Amino acid sequence: AQTVTQSQPEMSVQEAETVTLSCTYDTSESNYYLFWYKQPPSRQMILVIRQEAYKQQNATENRFSVNFQKAAKSFSLKISDSQLGDTAMYFCAFMKQRGNAGNMLTFGGGTRLMVKP
Amino acid sequence: EAGVAQSPRYKIIEKRQSVAFWCNPISGHATLYWYQQILGQGPKLLIQFQNNGVVDDSQLPKDRFSAERLKGVDSTLKIQPAKLEDSAVYLCASSLDWYSPLHFGNGTRLTVT
Repeated sequence: AQTVTQSQPEMSVQEAETVTLSCTYDTSESNYYLFWYKQPPSRQMILVIRQEAYKQQNATENRFSVNFQKAAKSFSLKISDSQLGDTAMYFCAFMKQRGNAGNMLTFGGGTRLMVKP
Repeated sequence: EAGVAQSPRYKIIEKRQSVAFWCNPISGHATLYWYQQILGQGPKLLIQFQNNGVVDDSQLPKDRFSAERLKGVDSTLKIQPAKLEDSAVYLCASSLDWYSPLHFGNGTRLTVT
């Protein structure tokens, strides 16, 4: 079974600064996907960024980028130029594909990020 | 496009009562998921549908939880009877197919007293 670990329960950052959230995972799969989701107080899970394991290039999405270290099974999220609207819970998630049985998304325990003015 | 719709937004019940949650996925999305998110934890998959068939219900407590997806569109998740440990947010998500990104609804917060 896959496990996803987020070792930072809470983090804070000053507005306009950069913050990095950590995530490690454990799997024996070679082909999988990794995600970062944001969950604001509205409770809706919003996809921030996605990384395919077979791609060596780190994914970027505007102010969000990842550092994907496949051998180390590490997948950190960097938020540049932090904004007040980035305040939320952030979840790292792992997805393996099971062919016709569909996919299975496993979430970490989350990191609460607070952006301070 | 309209997002995933869930209702109710909040529900408070006493233990041993029953409760039902409703989900309307994004139009055309074949895959539907129900997740349970206990306070302070990440979501845990309860059940996954592909059209109106169950793909995975291995983590669904089948003695008290049931779910159906009528005509491959809307879905209902039921708990009967509820226990205190069922207090959580129940999230519904849908995807175009099983390898596409998930789109989540706003969830239903259930409190069992």
